[in-house]
Amino acid sequence: GAGVSQTPSNKVTEKGKYVELRCDPISGHTALYWYRQSLGQGPEFLIYFQGTGAADDSGLPNDRFFAVRPEGSVSTLKIQRTERGDSAVYLCASSLSGGGATDNEQFFGPGTRLTVL
Amino acid sequence: GQSLEQPSEVTAVEGAIVQINCTYQTSGFYGLSWYQQHDGGAPTFLSYNGLDGLEETGRFSSFLSRSDSYGYLLLQELQMKDSASYFCAVRVSGGYQKVTFGTGTKLQVIP
Repeated sequence: GAGVSQTPSNKVTEKGKYVELRCDPISGHTALYWYRQSLGQGPEFLIYFQGTGAADDSGLPNDRFFAVRPEGSVSTLKIQRTERGDSAVYLCASSLSGGGATDNEQFFGPGTRLTVL
Repeated sequence: GQSLEQPSEVTAVEGAIVQINCTYQTSGFYGLSWYQQHDGGAPTFLSYNGLDGLEETGRFSSFLSRSDSYGYLLLQELQMKDSASYFCAVRVSGGYQKVTFGTGTKLQVIP
């Protein structure tokens, strides 16, 4: 089966524009995570979905960031009024159920490299 | 909040053994994961320790000591393809798999 896919792989935009980043998780995975990774840093948690609902959005830096997962599969991360500081690689990951003692692995997509000029 | 410390860079010789340490400070600790990431690639899961002790998966082993808030990743029989960044990540909830990643250790394997 296919792994986690993300589109686009690269996105260049101008300051102030709106962008959408898409994530297709592994089929059957109910848990979905968004991370942001800057150069030389580890992935930084943004938001976690269990099914269709955002169970934890504590990592979203401000209200310019928003994410949805309307049918419990594909998710879209939306960034309004982009700023140069938003430039990073945005990673999506999924896991089977999201919790419990046996579900310990997250499967990451290749990421979207966002550059805000 | 959580904080994790790992060495920023490690260099080791092909065929040798290398240990990458991770110390953490967190409340509600549940377990410690390790991920590998090649330049330009996605993080890939290596191992998870929920209990104290050693977990072995092929050439890779991971260790956890909850009382010392410490873990390590051990890579044996190093190969050139092991050159990558290695991240420890703390899981803080049994309810769901929220993890906080460290800043990573860049491993360079030399001939």
